[in-house]
Amino acid sequence: QQPVQSPQAVILREGEDAVINCSSSKALYSVHWYRQKHGEAPVFLMILLKGGEQKGHDKISASFNEKKQQSSLYLTASQLSYSGTYFCGTDDQTGANNLFFGTGTRLTVIP
Amino acid sequence: DVKVTQSSRYLVKRTGEKVFLECVQDMDHENMFWYRQDPGLGLRLIYFSYDVKMKEKGDIPEGYSVSREKKERFSLILESASTNQTSMYLCASWDPGGEKLFFGSGTQLSVL
Repeated sequence: QQPVQSPQAVILREGEDAVINCSSSKALYSVHWYRQKHGEAPVFLMILLKGGEQKGHDKISASFNEKKQQSSLYLTASQLSYSGTYFCGTDDQTGANNLFFGTGTRLTVIP
Repeated sequence: DVKVTQSSRYLVKRTGEKVFLECVQDMDHENMFWYRQDPGLGLRLIYFSYDVKMKEKGDIPEGYSVSREKKERFSLILESASTNQTSMYLCASWDPGGEKLFFGSGTQLSVL
C-alpha cells in the first residue's frame, strides 16, 4: 500500500525548480505532503482532496490527479530552506486517517 | 500549537529487553499513530489507535504492541527487543480540524 515516490534524491542550485512525484496503486481520498529537515520531525505542508485540485503556498504547490492516483509537488525558485526530505502520504479512507507514506525524496539546495 | 512529546530522544537497549516508548499529545486528539523510519524505506505504520483502549495493526506490527489507557498517551512496547528493531520511532496525532498529522521529534532506538 506504500506509494511510490520519485526521484529518490535531487540536488538543485538556488533558484532552480523541482518536481516530486507520488504514485499509488490504490484509489485515493487524499494526498498529504510533509517535509522533514535533518534531525527534526516531519512537518505538514499541504493536503489535497480528491477532485483534482491544485494547491500552493509561497513557491511550493501540488496537484492531485485522482484518476491516475498520482500527485506531484512543485518547488519553484528553490531556496536553501527547502532542503530536506519530502514525503507524500496517501489516504484511501479505509482506516482511521492512517496515512501510507512513500519512501521519501531527499532534496538538497546548494548556493 | 499542538505538542506531541516523545519521552526519549535517544535510547540504547540490549537484545531481549522489554522497551517502552512513550508519547503524549496535548490537544485531545482521538487518533494517534506509531511509525518507524528507516533509510530508504520511509515511514512505515506500526500501530494506530482511534480511541482509548482501541488499537489497530498497521503494516509492520510484528514484535510490537501498544497501550492507550488515557486519551493523551499512546505507548509503543517492544516485548523482547531485537537488533532489527534499531530504528527511529515517530509518534503522531491526527488533527481533524486541520486534517493533518502532528509528529513528535522521534526516538532513536539502538538495540545492541
